Parts: sequence; C-alpha cells; structure tokens
Amino acid sequence: GAVVSQHPSRVICKSGTSVKIECRSLDFQATTMFWYRQFPKQSLMLMATSNEGSKATYEQGVEKDKFLINHASLTLSTLTVTSAHPEDSSFYICSAGREAEQFFGPGTRLTVL
Amino acid sequence: DQQVKQNSPSLSVQEGRISILNCDYTNSMFDYFLWYKKYPAEGPTFLISISSIKDKNEDGRFTVFLNKSAKHLSLHIVPSQPGDSAVYFCAASARKDNDMRFGAGTRLTVKP
Repeated sequence: GAVVSQHPSRVICKSGTSVKIECRSLDFQATTMFWYRQFPKQSLMLMATSNEGSKATYEQGVEKDKFLINHASLTLSTLTVTSAHPEDSSFYICSAGREAEQFFGPGTRLTVL
Repeated sequence: DQQVKQNSPSLSVQEGRISILNCDYTNSMFDYFLWYKKYPAEGPTFLISISSIKDKNEDGRFTVFLNKSAKHLSLHIVPSQPGDSAVYFCAASARKDNDMRFGAGTRLTVKP
C-alpha cells in the first residue's frame, strides 16, 4: 500500500519558536494533502487542505498566519507552526490523497514548553 | 512500520445486508481502538470506539468487535444503507488520548 511519512515524529520546542513538520508521500504523487490535529477523545480536526502549487484552504477557525502550509511538490507538504505556544501542543497528522484514496501519516507529537 | 492494517482496500455490499470491515494491529500496547468514516473532501468523523477491557461495543447499526488474542477488530454495519458508502479507517492508540495510528482505510460501497 501507499506510504506517507512525517518528520519529525516528535519535537519539543520553546514557546515563541517556530516548528516545521514535513509530510511526504513516498511512493506516489499526491495532488492533495490534508493536515489534521488530534484533540482529546481522539477527535480529529481538519486544519487545512493543501493543493500542490496553490494556496492551502484553511478550515474555519484555523489561523493561516500561525499554521503556514506549503505544498511545493507532488510529494511534499510542510506545516509550520509559527510562534508556537503551549496550547499548540498536540498530535498533528497529515494524509495524502491519490485519486479517491487517502493515506495517513504516522503523526507528529509537538510539545511546546 | 504499519502498526494498524486494513487489508481490504474495498468492499461492496447490497443494501440491507451486513457490512464487515476488518482491521489488524501489531502493537500489543494498543488498548483503545476507533473507527472513523470519511467522505470525499471531508475530514474523518468519529464513528465508534472500544477499549481493550471490552470485546464488543454497539451503537445503533454499528458494532465493533475486538479479539485481543488475535489482535483483530471488526466493524459490523447492519443493515447497510447507501449512505454508509464511504472510506472507513481503523485507528488505535495506547491509552485513551494517546497518539493514534491509522490503517489505510477500506472503501465501502453499499448498492441500492
């Protein structure tokens, strides 16, 4: 099956710094990538839809200036959490789309001190 | 390393019949399991969950069965309806609210 990777798997940073998370589709070209944030009780919130070569589409309530998404190629999308604060600590998951399918990455655990 | 596996990429059933979606896991530390349903262009929505202290959880037409010894869980939908057509993802975590690991999904098509 298709493989999606995320890097790093875990990151700890100080408040006020920026953190970049990469999402890669390893064996297919993904025209669309999605970024999610996991909340308590395993609820998943869709943050944004990332389309290769164009601006990301953010869901209502998600600050686009805080969560910068870049989809520079068909195999890579990045999420940058700018000026991170402790409330941004969470598990961030990406998924990559191919035709009608979606494949989830393993997630990135962000801890902001 | 795929810790959660859904080996059937697709499943097609007739309306009114039972849909059975399967999921296997390899990490014996997982003790909380969930099923999500996903429509195109939308994020996954939570469907049903089960903790390892149970072997069955039922919610309306949806029942999840857990076989810890086999590291296997299944989602039963009965009766299946055309509106159930979607991609179903199995997810697992070690302890509630810990990081989830997802399977690759199974596309269910329910034919009228």
